[in-house]
Amino acid sequence: GQQVMQIPQYQHVQEGEDFTTYCNSSTTLSNIQWYKQRPGGHPVFLIQLVKSGEVKKQKRLTFQFGEAKKNSSLHITATQTTDVGTYFCAPYNQGGKLIFGQGTELSVKP
Amino acid sequence: NAGVTQTPKFRVLKTGQSMTLLCAQDMNHEYMYWYRQDPGMGLRLIHYSVGEGTTAKGEVPDGYNVSRLKKQNFLLGLESAAPSQTSVYFCASSYSTGGYSPLHFGNGTRLTVT
Repeated sequence: GQQVMQIPQYQHVQEGEDFTTYCNSSTTLSNIQWYKQRPGGHPVFLIQLVKSGEVKKQKRLTFQFGEAKKNSSLHITATQTTDVGTYFCAPYNQGGKLIFGQGTELSVKP
Repeated sequence: NAGVTQTPKFRVLKTGQSMTLLCAQDMNHEYMYWYRQDPGMGLRLIHYSVGEGTTAKGEVPDGYNVSRLKKQNFLLGLESAAPSQTSVYFCASSYSTGGYSPLHFGNGTRLTVT
């Protein structure tokens, strides 16, 4: 079945530093979604990428979908303490299922 | 608008006991899902439903059963709980197939099996 690897598993940064998490698939993806989960909370939808090479921005967050549609990344510029949480990629499976990556846990030191 | 509501929020079971987790959504969504979340494992899909009266297996369906008798409700059952089922369970719903519309999650149910 479809496999997706998300790296790194953990990332500790100083407030103001940049952060990037990567999502890599063994197969070509139709599209991919990204979610954020705050500590003790539930996953919340951030964005969806559909087109090859697509880049979308949300304030300090930049999302990219690879040209081959096998990988994706989330980059946060100048992290803030409010960015703390776990970020998940979720590629779409043709069977109608959304399969989540293992997540990258971000901690930000003030 | 409540969105997705899960009950109960917490539960402790003894090995071999049974229980049902209830998920209710008021957004008229067709698709509903049950995930479990364990440390370092991300979210793993247990079962899902593409409409009232239908259910399908996800990545880790063993030991669980589900039912979708009404469009707004999706029930997850554990017939004989095992310690390996200690986890946080999330229900989610989406307007259309999960790849093309966002998933809306409930607040989760923390289950401990002793």
